[in-house]
Amino acid sequence: GDSVTQMEGPVTLSEEAFLTINCTYTATGYPSLFWYVQYPGEGLQLLLKATKADDKGSNKGFEATYRKETTSFHLEKGSVQVSDSAVYFCASPGSGNTGKLIFGQGTTLQVKP
Amino acid sequence: NAGVMQNPRHLVRRRGQEARLRCSPMKGHSHVYWYRQLPEEGLKFMVYLQKENIIDESGMPKERFSAEFPKEGPSILRIQQVVRGDSAAYFCASSELGEVFYGYTFGSGTRLTVV
Repeated sequence: GDSVTQMEGPVTLSEEAFLTINCTYTATGYPSLFWYVQYPGEGLQLLLKATKADDKGSNKGFEATYRKETTSFHLEKGSVQVSDSAVYFCASPGSGNTGKLIFGQGTTLQVKP
Repeated sequence: NAGVMQNPRHLVRRRGQEARLRCSPMKGHSHVYWYRQLPEEGLKFMVYLQKENIIDESGMPKERFSAEFPKEGPSILRIQQVVRGDSAAYFCASSELGEVFYGYTFGSGTRLTVV
């Protein structure tokens, strides 16, 4: 069945370090792909998205490129800040595009000053 | 322009009681989705509703759980006879269209604790 797999956390980085959080998906075709961020005690916020293969989503210094060859959508940021500490979720509607999202298990990022 | 509103933010119930979670979608949104987040896990889809219709309830447990989205008022997720394993964060999301092309808008969640 359709699935989304993220690298396990937690990820601990120093401020200004480079961030990569891996995400791969399994689905038929090329579904939309999303990254959501969840700050402590809050709901999920849409961080960025890509709606077709080879698209690049970007927001707040974060980027992710939809790579159909590797069925991946890895999240990157060149220089993280303490305020980026949160849980990051990769998600996709899968093959059906029926309205429900399949989420990865989440990756906790902790940035230290 | 309020976002997706969920209440209560925190809910404590004793085993065997009923829990009612409410979700008011963003203005103009007629599609509502409920997700459950167990501790240290990702979000799992529960149910997708439109006004007065359940579109997809494939993620709902077969017993004790029900959801509705009436013509007027918020969407309600109802859990009867709660057990400790129901303790989780329950998130509601809404969208204008019945597809995820643009991504959902999530509420802040209701954190249910069963004691």
